[in-house]
Amino acid sequence: GDSVTQKEGLVTLTEGLPVMLNCTYQTIYSNAFLFWYVHYLNESPRLLLKSSTDNKRTEHQGFHATLHKSSSSFHLQKSSAQLSDSALYYCALRRINSGGSNAKLTFGKGTKLSVKS
Amino acid sequence: DPKIIQKPKYLVAVTGSEKILICEQYLGHNAMYWYRQSAKKPLEFMFSYSYQKLMDNQTASSRFQPQSSKKNHLDLQITALKPDDSATYFCASSPQGTEVFFGKGTRLTVV
Repeated sequence: GDSVTQKEGLVTLTEGLPVMLNCTYQTIYSNAFLFWYVHYLNESPRLLLKSSTDNKRTEHQGFHATLHKSSSSFHLQKSSAQLSDSALYYCALRRINSGGSNAKLTFGKGTKLSVKS
Repeated sequence: DPKIIQKPKYLVAVTGSEKILICEQYLGHNAMYWYRQSAKKPLEFMFSYSYQKLMDNQTASSRFQPQSSKKNHLDLQITALKPDDSATYFCASSPQGTEVFFGKGTRLTVV
């Protein structure tokens, strides 16, 4: 089956430093959507970024990621961490089924980002 | 305003009892889901419904039964509760397409 790997369970950074959260995935399907969800405590997980296009950078709210199918990676980056970025970040994969039906999301274990002043 | 409402927010249950987790979405989506997050584990897909029909079931135990009485409702009945069922249960929905929207979750503790 599909799988998503986020090797870092916790990333601690000083405010202003760059952020990079790693995500690699495995799927037998050639077409898949990759997502980054951000989950703040006591809130709903919400979509941060998504992509299905190889080698195309996608950006939102200062974060960016590029899907690289050759290396099965979708790393999340930001040039300068802010205190408000402290949250749990999930990488997820969803197959693109023919007919647009709604396949399940497969999540990684999540990376807790802690930004300190 | 939250568009996916889950009730209750917190729930404590006794081992062996039965509980129903409520989910209503007001996004007009046809697909609804349940996910579970146990301690130190990733968000785990449980069920998907489309137009009130079960599409996918990744839950091994029949103790978990989704119930869709209305188009925008997908409740989760859990019977014979066990301590291992303790988790946060997230309801989600999506339009036909890619993005999945989540509720805030129901945190279930089984004692």
